[in-house]
Amino acid sequence: SQQGEEDPQALSIQEGENATMNCSYKTSINNLQWYRQNSGRGLVHLILIRSNEREKHSGRLRVTLDTSKKSSSLLITASRAADTASYFCATDSGNTGKLIFGQGTTLQVKP
Amino acid sequence: GAGVSQSPSNKVTEKGKDVELRCDPISGHTALYWYRQSLGQGLEFLIYFQGNSAPDKSGLPSDRFSAERTGGSVSTLTIQRTQQEDSAVYLCASSFDRGRNNEQFFGPGTRLTVL
Repeated sequence: SQQGEEDPQALSIQEGENATMNCSYKTSINNLQWYRQNSGRGLVHLILIRSNEREKHSGRLRVTLDTSKKSSSLLITASRAADTASYFCATDSGNTGKLIFGQGTTLQVKP
Repeated sequence: GAGVSQSPSNKVTEKGKDVELRCDPISGHTALYWYRQSLGQGLEFLIYFQGNSAPDKSGLPSDRFSAERTGGSVSTLTIQRTQQEDSAVYLCASSFDRGRNNEQFFGPGTRLTVL
């Protein structure tokens, strides 16, 4: 079964607006990672936040983690049409690095 | 350096046939993972290799699925007697080491269609 659940399933915004995606999970984690996928093929790693971290930034990306609520959010600021993609959260809970993925949020940024 | 590569990029097969999917991880990466993604879904873990340790096969959906990793590098995922529900994109990933806080690098995937 999937650990992570993303919300919303789909998001459509105008270029320049901010996009926020949420992820909830069920078990304790070592870290939570966000990935991006274009056209249903290979995934690109965006950012990793460890269980003892609360917020992390990378360029236009901001990730928060609330372990008490077992949730994370990904914020993309000043979105661009090129940000159009599916975004997945993935949790690492064990000792192997095996990732459990959510169902993803499909983001469409309209020019 | 080169990323994770997978072959073939697309595979169409008839129900009941066997298929082999190949993954070349990034050189020096000791951990290798196989995932499956059905249409419009998230990724489902299949199997994990780390060095010479016994693989974690806990995600394999049936005994028709098997995987090998030869010489600690290239991996082959084999699906025997394919069924239509096996149709999916099969993604391979590698990371520098197992365990905590390691980014996984994904290949482009193999799109398998079982007719």
